[in-house]
Amino acid sequence: EVQLVESGGDLVQPGRSLRLSCTASGFTFGDYAMSWVRQAPGKGLEWVGVIRTKAHGGPTEYAASVRDRFTISRDDSQSIAYLQMNSLKTEDTAVYYCARDFGSGSYPLDYWGQGTLVTVSA
Amino acid sequence: DIVMTQTPLSSPVTLGQPASISCRSSQSLVHSDGNTYLSWLQQRPGQPPRLLIYKISNRFSGVPDRFSGSGAGTDFTLKISRVEAEDVGVYYCTQTTQFPRTFGQGTKVEIK
Repeated sequence: EVQLVESGGDLVQPGRSLRLSCTASGFTFGDYAMSWVRQAPGKGLEWVGVIRTKAHGGPTEYAASVRDRFTISRDDSQSIAYLQMNSLKTEDTAVYYCARDFGSGSYPLDYWGQGTLVTVSA
Repeated sequence: DIVMTQTPLSSPVTLGQPASISCRSSQSLVHSDGNTYLSWLQQRPGQPPRLLIYKISNRFSGVPDRFSGSGAGTDFTLKISRVEAEDVGVYYCTQTTQFPRTFGQGTKVEIK
């Protein structure tokens, strides 16, 4: 059974940093790209970024709203994807989901975690 | 970026009656591999999104057959043949043809 579990959400002040983790199980993590998607309170879904597999060179892509502040990385040995968030702003307040993106025999965004809440406030 | 536009944004439905949601993309979603990566997600209250339909019309594992998807190019539709109480929630179309992934605004399905 595919499972994704996010952790690391917290209340932080503007300008500070936070790192989220997404721990995967039930599939060969290294064979799949992983995306982060966020949802501000009462709002819709916003894609944050993706990290491709090492086989695809592992490059990352980001939404314009977080580029230069957020960094996605991965540890295939531990089946974890990370979202490093720097220079946080109040508008980054949201539930952050990780989702499995493209990979062998899968469909983009086919599995999602339960999400972790990040609140940015003074 | 590809803009996804859904209509309606709210859909009050009587139990047992059909519901339909439209999604239009600002450009063609046909990928260079020939596939069209248009998906539909369901988000029940307090829950994370869940994949319902992928590549326009394919139901994901465990999705009831009252859900169906159709369309081509830039115009797509999600239909629920007979709405049940468990179908209440917000439905999003999303394109995964290219990055950045983009989503429609969401359509809230509620029971009248």
